[in-house]
Amino acid sequence: EAGVAQSPRYKIIEKRQSVAFWCNPISGHATLYWYQQILGQGPKLLIQFQNNGVVDDSQLPKDRFSAERLKGVDSTLKIQPAKLEDSAVYLCASSQTGVGTEAFFGQGTRLTVV
Amino acid sequence: KQEVTQIPAALSVPEGENLVLNCSFTDSAIYNLQWFRQDPGKGLTSLLLIQSSQREQTSGRLNASLDKSSGRSTLYIAASQPGDSATYLCAADTGGFKTIFGAGTRLFVKA
Repeated sequence: EAGVAQSPRYKIIEKRQSVAFWCNPISGHATLYWYQQILGQGPKLLIQFQNNGVVDDSQLPKDRFSAERLKGVDSTLKIQPAKLEDSAVYLCASSQTGVGTEAFFGQGTRLTVV
Repeated sequence: KQEVTQIPAALSVPEGENLVLNCSFTDSAIYNLQWFRQDPGKGLTSLLLIQSSQREQTSGRLNASLDKSSGRSTLYIAASQPGDSATYLCAADTGGFKTIFGAGTRLFVKA
């Protein structure tokens, strides 16, 4: 079974530039998550999709972050404009529908804003 | 609001030692608790998932326990090996598909 795929693996941008990350979840997984993990901290949920609808985006900084999941499969997360404090690893995860189901994570994208 | 705390933040042990990692959560109304391993520069690998109705789960040298009433979970690693060196994260599923992570315990096993 193929895992969660993310790209790119690494990205370095200057502040005020824009950046986009891509995620392809495990086939058949209806739920997709984007997490932000700052160095030394646990992952923080940014947004959760159920198919192509948003379930929770309460911690997404909507003035600069946006995410979409077209057709309920792949997802993109965009930051525009980036700030220094956005430097982090962005993790995508997916799970089957259902309470308490196991989440599977991708390798993550390490973003450095200089 | 659910908060998850992990103690210790870092741990260094000699090879072969048995060790316990601790995870505590403030809201006992969880659906499950999951332990993950994270290697430097990598994503998260699921180790054990304990449903709210369960008390423990075992996989090889790993054993995770859950005590909802006290808001605690422990991850026991038997006969530690240098390859076990990584950051271990616990995460509580609070329902509504919300998963809250602790900050992790960085483990270093010396050969």
